[in-house]
Amino acid sequence: QQPVQSPQAVILREGEDAVINCSSSKALYSVHWYRQKHGEAPVFLMILLKGGEQKGHEKISASFNEKKQQSSLYLTASQLSYSGTYFCGTEAYSYGGATNKLIFGTGTLLAVQP
Amino acid sequence: NAGVMQNPRHLVRRRGQEARLRCSPMKGHSHVYWYRQLPEEGLKFMVYLQKENIIDESGMPKERFSAEFPKEGPSILRIQQVVRGDSAAYFCASSLPGTGPYEQYFGPGTRLTVT
Repeated sequence: QQPVQSPQAVILREGEDAVINCSSSKALYSVHWYRQKHGEAPVFLMILLKGGEQKGHEKISASFNEKKQQSSLYLTASQLSYSGTYFCGTEAYSYGGATNKLIFGTGTLLAVQP
Repeated sequence: NAGVMQNPRHLVRRRGQEARLRCSPMKGHSHVYWYRQLPEEGLKFMVYLQKENIIDESGMPKERFSAEFPKEGPSILRIQQVVRGDSAAYFCASSLPGTGPYEQYFGPGTRLTVT
């Protein structure tokens, strides 16, 4: 089942913050975040493993709550270059560990305006 | 270090023809994944391959679609007897070998148009 992302779309002014949520109905082993600009390939942002970790990448960070089967992506002091569609890719938990199979969420369109 | 390469970048086929999409993974990567993206939609998992093995093909349509990753050469996604509904962007991604999870690096995609 496809993870659900919220919000579906958000418009920001430069310098504002945003949070994008990803919720799954399955127990998760890892969550991957990607950004895709129109007509381009998705670009990897970060990966979070089960264990409730939090990661940062410049002014973009994320958390993973495995109990709630949710992950959130935090964008602070947004820049024009942050515009694009953000996808979470979820990897379901299996007894063998990683499956490497990602099911991508519904996507969140982020537009940063000057 | 070259990234994931896909060719062709654009492919036009008439209904009933065959489409062959190629993917060369990043150097050192032996895991390949194919995804399909319809206009204004998300990425749908199709198949996960390692060299000479199909690991997970649960996202592949049962008919007309096949994928391979031979010992030598690129991975190939083959669509036989294409229909208009096959028009989409097809992305290939690759990752490191071994147990993950590892980040997947995407190629530029092949945009298939069926007329």
